[in-house]
Amino acid sequence: EAQVTQNPRYLITVTGKKLTVTCSQNMNHEYMSWYRQDPGLGLRQIYYSMNVEVTDKGDVPEGYKVSRKEKRNFPLILESPSPNQTSLYFCASSWWRSNEQFFGPGTRLTVL
Amino acid sequence: KNEVEQSPQNLTAQEGEFITINCSYSVGISALHWLQQHPGGGIVSLFMLSSGKKKHGRLIATINIQEKHSSLHITASHPRDSAVYICAAGGGADGLTFGKGTHLIIQP
Repeated sequence: EAQVTQNPRYLITVTGKKLTVTCSQNMNHEYMSWYRQDPGLGLRQIYYSMNVEVTDKGDVPEGYKVSRKEKRNFPLILESPSPNQTSLYFCASSWWRSNEQFFGPGTRLTVL
Repeated sequence: KNEVEQSPQNLTAQEGEFITINCSYSVGISALHWLQQHPGGGIVSLFMLSSGKKKHGRLIATINIQEKHSSLHITASHPRDSAVYICAAGGGADGLTFGKGTHLIIQP
């Protein structure tokens, strides 16, 4: 089954404790992206990757890191989480930036 | 950067009603996406269109490139259509710009 998986689905952590949210797709898509969704603000892009070892900043990259060492995986790293990073995070993949996006199930992160 | 506006923000209707959600964007695009997000969070792509009209079951999406406007219609609405509907505008090398979503509630 074609899918995008994210782990964990729910995470409560404390300020400053490094964490990684994993994202994996099995569709051989070139393009992968991370978004955060906040009430009243909609979906905003954090980082994206057009291919292996190619990553770039989206609209709200501050406080986040990513890597793309393999085509299928695109982890999101928060080196020192802060409460303003409490949000619902989605990973997505597609063939190209404007193509149909396939979304993961979401990760609800709370930073205390 | 593209700006995407959706209307209405909230819509409550009775089962069976014809529903229209509108989306306007400011910059020419290569594709317009409609997404659906049910309570519980998962996002599903409904349509991607660059011209004309597409239909899938009771859902119809239209786009007018000259007016930079798209509509999503739901015929014979049902409570299971209750969700947030999001439009997103994309232009070639640029990524997607998302609207803030329309919260739709269909009452039995």
